[in-house]
Amino acid sequence: AQTVTQSQPEMSVQEAETVTLSCTYDTSENNYYLFWYKQPPSRQMILVIRQEAYKQQNATENRFSVNFQKAAKSFSLKISDSQLGDTAMYFCAFMFNAGNNRKLIWGLGTSLAVNP
Amino acid sequence: EAQVTQNPRYLITVTGKKLTVTCSQNMNHEYMSWYRQDPGLGLRQIYYSMNVEVTDKGDVPEGYKVSRKEKRNFPLILESPSPNQTSLYFCASSLRTSGEQFFGPGTRLTVL
Repeated sequence: AQTVTQSQPEMSVQEAETVTLSCTYDTSENNYYLFWYKQPPSRQMILVIRQEAYKQQNATENRFSVNFQKAAKSFSLKISDSQLGDTAMYFCAFMFNAGNNRKLIWGLGTSLAVNP
Repeated sequence: EAQVTQNPRYLITVTGKKLTVTCSQNMNHEYMSWYRQDPGLGLRQIYYSMNVEVTDKGDVPEGYKVSRKEKRNFPLILESPSPNQTSLYFCASSLRTSGEQFFGPGTRLTVL
């Protein structure tokens, strides 16, 4: 079965500090992408960072970086210098091609609160 | 500005009254998809389309229809809405060759 597990339903962090959100997944696919999406109170689904499974180098986007451990099927998100605007629900997902479908498997999310 | 748009953003309707949620993208993406988001269940795929006139069922297609007559548009049709279709709906699109899907702003649907 293809699954994504986010073991931390809720987290909080002080402004300017660093926080790490956990994500593990299970798949038998060899070629896939991994994503972190952010969903603020506006409910918009915003891509934070992406990682191709064949790339060993961890992706980085400004204050956001991932720790991708392919053998362990782990894909954690680190947010550095947390800002109030980072308060949101964060979803981990992986995507693979299933015929014509770009199948996305989602975790249930981690609600992150950044406190002033 | 590259974007996916959805209309309406909010809709309250009654059981059995047909409705359409429109989705349009201006990025020339081949792939488009509809999802619904429900608490505790995450995002689930309703339908997807790999190109014009090519559509297929996702994980929860019952009660929904779609069409893809033009590359940019992918409307979601509820012929006879029921209260269990109350949800937050997202349209998304991507290039055939790229990984990430770009999401519209969401449509909050309530069926009474």
